[in-house]
Amino acid sequence: DTAVSQTPKYLVTQMGNDKSIKCEQNLGHDTMYWYKQDSKKFLKIMFSYNNKELIINETVPNRFSPKSPDKAHLNLHINSLELGDSAVYFCASSHRDSKPSQYFGPGTRLLVL
Amino acid sequence: KNEVEQSPQNLTAQEGEFITINCSYSVGISALHWLQQHPGGGIVSLFMLSSGKKKHGRLIATINIQEKHSSLHITASHPRDSAVYICADNNTGANSKLTFGKGITLSVRP
Repeated sequence: DTAVSQTPKYLVTQMGNDKSIKCEQNLGHDTMYWYKQDSKKFLKIMFSYNNKELIINETVPNRFSPKSPDKAHLNLHINSLELGDSAVYFCASSHRDSKPSQYFGPGTRLLVL
Repeated sequence: KNEVEQSPQNLTAQEGEFITINCSYSVGISALHWLQQHPGGGIVSLFMLSSGKKKHGRLIATINIQEKHSSLHITASHPRDSAVYICADNNTGANSKLTFGKGITLSVRP
């Protein structure tokens, strides 16, 4: 069973489009994250949700909007896609009340043309 | 501002060699993570430690809280160890936000 899954795995789209990436974890974790890995392979946190509540919102354009319908899901919606949004987006999860050890999804490779 | 430094950016070793990868951080942390990213792109958490030393197979991670420094050691290295090794720290705040280093690309030659 996949612990943290993301869909789609690959996403190629035109500039200006709106797209969503979905993330689901079956670990029973209460905290979920979105990270962006740029072309230089540098990872940076975008958002973090704990029990469906937003707790970290780094400097990310308003075009990016996370949505957490329940503790097991954290989706990322991106409006008006730009060329610079091309990156790999990783979802991860951890448990807040114990020593955190984050589990990562396989990543979604987004290419904006 | 919390900064996580790793160097060198690239590291090449011969199969069988003992390898050490270093990581320094600038502020107090609750834990330090070592992650491995293979060429296929997937990220695996290798270790999370807040003190002392942890061992898993041929991998050993150590941390010195006073010096704000951690090392990842690979014994009897193998070409399959070729990957990017990233250290990341958890800040001491109420949430478990990770701040990442830029990663070190390790190539182990047969």
